[in-house]
Amino acid sequence: DAGITQSPRHKVTETGTPVTLRCHQTENHRYMYWYRQDPGHGLRLIHYSYGVKDTDKGEVSDGYSVSRSKTEDFLLTLESATSSQTSVYFCAISEQPQGVTDTQYFGPGTRLTVL
Amino acid sequence: EDKVVQSPLSLVVHEGDTVTLNCSYEVTNFRSLLWYKQEKKAPTFLFMLTSSGIEKKSGRLSSILDKKELFSILNITATQTGDSAVYLCAVGILRSNDYKLSFGAGTTVTVRA
Repeated sequence: DAGITQSPRHKVTETGTPVTLRCHQTENHRYMYWYRQDPGHGLRLIHYSYGVKDTDKGEVSDGYSVSRSKTEDFLLTLESATSSQTSVYFCAISEQPQGVTDTQYFGPGTRLTVL
Repeated sequence: EDKVVQSPLSLVVHEGDTVTLNCSYEVTNFRSLLWYKQEKKAPTFLFMLTSSGIEKKSGRLSSILDKKELFSILNITATQTGDSAVYLCAVGILRSNDYKLSFGAGTTVTVRA
């Protein structure tokens, strides 16, 4: 299994509070991604990173920000959590697109509940 | 806007049946199509397809891509209860230096003993 960990694994918070989720990898992969998964929607891309300090928005980026100060860590921040952000959040990593495989490997997920 | 559509949304079969899952797509800068299996946890990789007409196989699972008609199928033969899962299709899209996967909503397969 790819070396990807996410923390925390579960979190319950209140509306309006800031929340930061962490993704840590030991594979030295260049690309890192944050997804959210909701029933009926599959996995939707929030933000991604193609290198240290290089990030871009995905399809559902409103209300989220990210930072990547080191290759191994990719942080997802909800500045002011809302109930609509209750979801399961997955981090994923992949090698450069010019590599042998485009496979993304997923972390174990973080279940976030916003009350 | 990139679109990845999976069908059916769900199905229930009995052990030993054969299952065929469909994934159609409309994207720009197609690079690859991937299938994942998800069992109440992180998705796990099954196949990556880049060329039309070349079947990939792994045990009882197989998949093929048709880049002209823009779809892929995933077959599971002699199904077992352990095949019960959500199967996700994703299309790899390459734009300049960026690479992203666009996912379908998934097909939930339930295999009854």
